[in-house]
Amino acid sequence: EAGVVQSPRYKIIEKKQPVAFWCNPISGHNTLYWYRQNLGQGPELLIRYENEEAVDDSQLPKDRFSAERLKGVDSTLKIQPAELGDSAVYLCASSARLHEKETQYFGPGTRLLVL
Amino acid sequence: GDSVTQMEGPVTLSEEAFLTINCTYTATGYPSLFWYVQYPGEGLQLLLKATKADDKGSNKGFEATYRKETTSFHLEKGSVQVSDSAVYFCALKGYQKVTFGTGTKLQVIP
Repeated sequence: EAGVVQSPRYKIIEKKQPVAFWCNPISGHNTLYWYRQNLGQGPELLIRYENEEAVDDSQLPKDRFSAERLKGVDSTLKIQPAELGDSAVYLCASSARLHEKETQYFGPGTRLLVL
Repeated sequence: GDSVTQMEGPVTLSEEAFLTINCTYTATGYPSLFWYVQYPGEGLQLLLKATKADDKGSNKGFEATYRKETTSFHLEKGSVQVSDSAVYFCALKGYQKVTFGTGTKLQVIP
């Protein structure tokens, strides 16, 4: 079974430029998560989807970040414009359903460097 | 809200030493508990999990027991290897989201 797929793996951009990350969850997983992981820290949730509905986006900086999951499968996270402080690893995860017993499976992440 | 507290690292051990990484949590309800491992340059991999009190999760020689009375989920391994060098994250999953600790870096020297 294929795991969570993310692309690109690395991205270097200049500040004020836009950037987008893509995630394809494990087949059949209804719940999808985007996390940001700063250096030396644990992941912090940005947004959570249940199918195509964003059910928790309280931690998403909506002035510059946006996300979509139009068909309830793959998802895109966008930053426009990027700032220096956005440099981090952006992780996508999925789980079969929204339940405390369900395990989240993580993709390899996209490492973003903003210059 | 939910929170996870891990012992600070780095933890440096010699090969074949005994490992303990402490993890305590606060949460409402009955969360599931996880240990994830992150090797350099890679994403998080699930190491083990426990979904209810007194459950023991185990994998690759690592173990952790869900202790509700002490709200703990300490990670242990009897004999570490150089290949175990990584960052280990304790996490809890409630109904709404997963909360991670800050991670503990383990360095195993030959």
